[in-house]
Amino acid sequence: DIQMTQSPSSVSASVGDRVTITCRASQPVSRWLAWYQQKPGKAPKLLIFGASTLQSGVPPRFSGSGSGTDFTLTISGLQPEDVATYYCQQANSFPALTFGGGTKVEIK
Amino acid sequence: QLQLQEAGSGLVKPSQTLSLTCTVSGASINSGGGFSWHWIRQPPGKGLEWIGHVWPSGSTYYNPSLKSRVTISGDWSKNQFSLSLISVTAADTALYYCARSNLDYYFDSWGQGRLVTVSS
Repeated sequence: DIQMTQSPSSVSASVGDRVTITCRASQPVSRWLAWYQQKPGKAPKLLIFGASTLQSGVPPRFSGSGSGTDFTLTISGLQPEDVATYYCQQANSFPALTFGGGTKVEIK
Repeated sequence: QLQLQEAGSGLVKPSQTLSLTCTVSGASINSGGGFSWHWIRQPPGKGLEWIGHVWPSGSTYYNPSLKSRVTISGDWSKNQFSLSLISVTAADTALYYCARSNLDYYFDSWGQGRLVTVSS
């Protein structure tokens, strides 16, 4: 299985700050990577797929980049409604789809 | 609007079988379009684990770590798909989600989740 490692495991930032989350794959996944946002008590929501394509309806302050083994999710201008746990997921290796361990984003 | 809803027993005894059903509304699960139907779980306070999926053709694929215990099937007449997990232990306690993916295996629609506790 491809292991997905996220860092940091948690981050606390002020409203308006830029927040960056990293996801590293144990082997190359090309650009077959998605990011999800999970708010407390809710199901995950697809934010970004193909490493950098924004899902319809997702605010443009969210962006993704990377390829191969290293990927980044950036929130440019953190908002209170962005408090959530964020997960990456690789879609390169099937049938063993795998997720990262999650990054919890909080407001300072 | 596509909606998915999990249902099934919330408490299962160790060594018994966990059974859940996902009812889909707003789309036909055997209409094709490159969509497939998945089960994903999340132990309390932990991350996400993909369990497996079923295609409209009936073909299934499972996470190798669970393959020996999992069966996923579709009931196209009811627009539902189901999960069966045998020989459960406490480690199978989790929030179980059903979800839809596109051809690229990104999950664009999710149910609200069903908490299943394995306990005697």
